[in-house]
Amino acid sequence: SAVISQKPSRDICQRGTSLTIQCQVDSQVTMMFWYRQQPGQSLTLIATANQGSEATYESGFVIDKFPISRPNLTFSTLTVSNLSPEDSSIYLCSVEGLAGGDTQYFGPGTRLTVL
Amino acid sequence: AQKVTQAQTEISVVEKEDVTLDCVYETRDTTYYLFWYKQPPSGELVFLIRRNSFDEQNEISGRYSWNFQKSTSSFNFTITASQVVDSAVYFCALSEGRQAGTALIFGKGTTLSVSS
Repeated sequence: SAVISQKPSRDICQRGTSLTIQCQVDSQVTMMFWYRQQPGQSLTLIATANQGSEATYESGFVIDKFPISRPNLTFSTLTVSNLSPEDSSIYLCSVEGLAGGDTQYFGPGTRLTVL
Repeated sequence: AQKVTQAQTEISVVEKEDVTLDCVYETRDTTYYLFWYKQPPSGELVFLIRRNSFDEQNEISGRYSWNFQKSTSSFNFTITASQVVDSAVYFCALSEGRQAGTALIFGKGTTLSVSS
């Protein structure tokens, strides 16, 4: 089965800084997504990372705060900008299209703490 | 509007007990998919099962079984003879239609604690 990795696995950041999270899949996929899971909460979709074009953001999420790149079919980055303590969450990437299927599989997540 | 409700916030059982996690969904689409994911303390989200709206056949996989009933819009998950390793947060999720890139709508999750 395909491997989905995220870097970093966790980080502690200062208020006002930014963190870039990488998601790498070891095989090509059609779709990549970014989710946020706030402490003790469920998962909320931030955006769909589109290869070669701008990401599609969900209501409540904007590009200035969460810029996303997807330069190819196996890699995407999510940047969380101008960090505040409210951004402390687990950020997960998911992929769809492994082996031609349409189930979303998730990476291990990045646990962000903002001081 | 689409919605997934997991009414049970936390469940505690003793090893070897059977436990059922409830999931009720709302959708206006006739084509949709339902999912269960497991999130152990490590935080990774592990895919367990996918069911499409046209297949109401129940499924069993080892100690896990799923009961899909369109009449009650429910997709319940039963663990038989629970084990400590089953302790995790379990999420039910829904995706509508079947175009690529359809977002998953998650329930709030049920935290299952299995003690020895």
